[in-house]
Amino acid sequence: NAGVTQTPKFQVLKTGQSMTLQCAQDMNHNSMYWYRQDPGMGLRLIYYSASEGTTDKGEVPNGYNVSRLNKREFSLRLESAAPSQTSVYFCASTGLAGVETQYFGPGTRLLVL
Amino acid sequence: GNSVTQMEGPVTLSEEAFLTINCTYTATGYPSLFWYVQYPGEGLQLLLKATKADDKGSNKGFEATYRKETTSFHLEKGSVQVSDSAVYFCALTGGAGGSYIPTFGRGTSLIVHP
Repeated sequence: NAGVTQTPKFQVLKTGQSMTLQCAQDMNHNSMYWYRQDPGMGLRLIYYSASEGTTDKGEVPNGYNVSRLNKREFSLRLESAAPSQTSVYFCASTGLAGVETQYFGPGTRLLVL
Repeated sequence: GNSVTQMEGPVTLSEEAFLTINCTYTATGYPSLFWYVQYPGEGLQLLLKATKADDKGSNKGFEATYRKETTSFHLEKGSVQVSDSAVYFCALTGGAGGSYIPTFGRGTSLIVHP
């Protein structure tokens, strides 16, 4: 039981490049989330998926897109990376949104030059 | 909307000292309350939770009591260890609006010296 996995662990991009961050969970959870974590800012929600087939914007969605590929997988895409997107990105999942514990992945550390 | 306010850090303690990290919240109804811990280089993980008023969550010597009257969920530990050095996040979910979106505090860094 791996929980929530994220790939890659580290990535360096040049401004304007694109990339997709992958997230998968093996807990049969309905809801999945993408956060970014910056020093002094805590966690900020980028996008979430309350259930398979739905996605919604969070607090800071600009510059990102998401795909809920199936119940297990939720990817985050940066179409044209900017230095302001340098951050640590966390994926999380929960079984019953609004009630249950969130389970987090280990994070992807992204540097945009 | 919902909000969580927790004390700013860093909190610096000597080993075996008593720890309190304050957390207060704003929400309607009866949200579930959580403390998560983040060790260096890792994701957040659940430390403890409480789902109704007057419940006490506990784990690894940490405790927090859901106080509806003061809208608080303060984290305490009687004797901290160097290994407790981490960032602690207070969070809530649910409430009257039944929000899908958890609300997190900004985190409190704890540094424990030998």
